[in-house]
Amino acid sequence: AQKITQTQPGMFVQEKEAVTLDCTYDTSDQSYGLFWYKQPSSGEMIFLIYQGSYDEQNATEGRYSLNFQKARKSANLVISASQLGDSAMYFCAMRRPISSGSARQLTFGSGTQLTVLP
Amino acid sequence: DGGITQSPKYLFRKEGQNVTLSCEQNLNHDAMYWYRQDPGQGLRLIYYSQIVNDFQKGDIAEGYSVSREKKESFPLTVTSAQKNPTAFYLCASSSREGPTGELFFGEGSRLTVL
Repeated sequence: AQKITQTQPGMFVQEKEAVTLDCTYDTSDQSYGLFWYKQPSSGEMIFLIYQGSYDEQNATEGRYSLNFQKARKSANLVISASQLGDSAMYFCAMRRPISSGSARQLTFGSGTQLTVLP
Repeated sequence: DGGITQSPKYLFRKEGQNVTLSCEQNLNHDAMYWYRQDPGQGLRLIYYSQIVNDFQKGDIAEGYSVSREKKESFPLTVTSAQKNPTAFYLCASSSREGPTGELFFGEGSRLTVL
């Protein structure tokens, strides 16, 4: 069974500083995908970044980068130059192995509430 | 604009009543999902559907039912058998195309049982 662990219930960061949100995972699968989602107070889930287990380079999307350490089973999200609008809940998720069907079920961690201070 | 529409946004229900949450997508995605979110917790999978007229139970399907009669629609019924239905419910869809296969989410429906 897959498991995602986010050990930081809450984090604070000063505006314009960088912040790292931790995520560790447990799986016996060789092929898997890792995702980060942002959930503002409005409730919708916004996809931020993806890392495939066989990707050799760490994923980057604008101010977001994923620090992928496969041997340690960690996939930390780094947000550079934090903005007030980055204040939200952040979830790490793992995609279960792709079956012959079309479904792409995700297993989510418990989330980290990030607050950006002015 | 393409996206996922969930309704209603807020719903109140008396104990013992069934309630149906609507989810419609115009992204032409084959797969759709229902997740439940409780305060301070991550999302848990209730049901998912890979194709019209087919669906599978997720991790916490007891007390819920779904249907998939049209590709665009995947309604969730919270039945009176669900012991603790007060939660935030999120519908999502995904495409089989592309390397990432990320889920696209609706804005959620908040159900409160009085």
